[in-house]
Amino acid sequence: AQSVSQHNHHVILSEAASLELGCNYSYGGTVNLFWYVQYPGQHLQLLLKYFSGDPLVKGIKGFEAEFIKSKFSFNLRKPSVQWSDTAEYFCAVNLNTGRRALTFGSGTRLQVQP
Amino acid sequence: DAGVIQSPRHEVTEMGQEVTLRCKPISGHNSLFWYRQTMMRGLELLIYFNNNVPIDDSGMPEDRFSAKMPNASFSTLKIQPSEPRDSAVYFCASSLTTEQYFGPGTRLTVT
Repeated sequence: AQSVSQHNHHVILSEAASLELGCNYSYGGTVNLFWYVQYPGQHLQLLLKYFSGDPLVKGIKGFEAEFIKSKFSFNLRKPSVQWSDTAEYFCAVNLNTGRRALTFGSGTRLQVQP
Repeated sequence: DAGVIQSPRHEVTEMGQEVTLRCKPISGHNSLFWYRQTMMRGLELLIYFNNNVPIDDSGMPEDRFSAKMPNASFSTLKIQPSEPRDSAVYFCASSLTTEQYFGPGTRLTVT
């Protein structure tokens, strides 16, 4: 079965710092990749997704992610974080087999200090 | 669109009681997912329906958990009897393509 690893469990940054959150998956076939964000007390919202094409994907709120197939990675980045980016970030993988179930990583809690 | 609707938003119950969580997916979506989120285990898929038919229930913890989708606009997740270790946030999500849309969740506390 596929798995998703997010190695950073808790990240603390100051405003304007750059962000990179790691995500690695274990599956050799074609995958669809997602980053979701969960603001405190709220439900998960989609930040960005990769299905095919340009491996550099731009999402909402200035986030982007790069799919590196050789490294089985889909890291999330943002050049300059804001206090409002404080949230939990989840990487998720869907096998491109027609099944729509997602496998989520354990999440990374980002705390941005003003 | 109102998005995915879940009820109740909060539920506090005593051990041994039956708990029923409800979900209304986004109109037109044909897949529905139930997830459980805990600090220890993160976000876990419990069960997944496609066109009202359960496709994968391998994540359902044990026989105390059951889920139904009697029609395209309604699903329930039932726990009977409930136990303290069932305390978690339960999310419902729906999709038409691979992208899933999540509801606000039900925070369940079993004392």
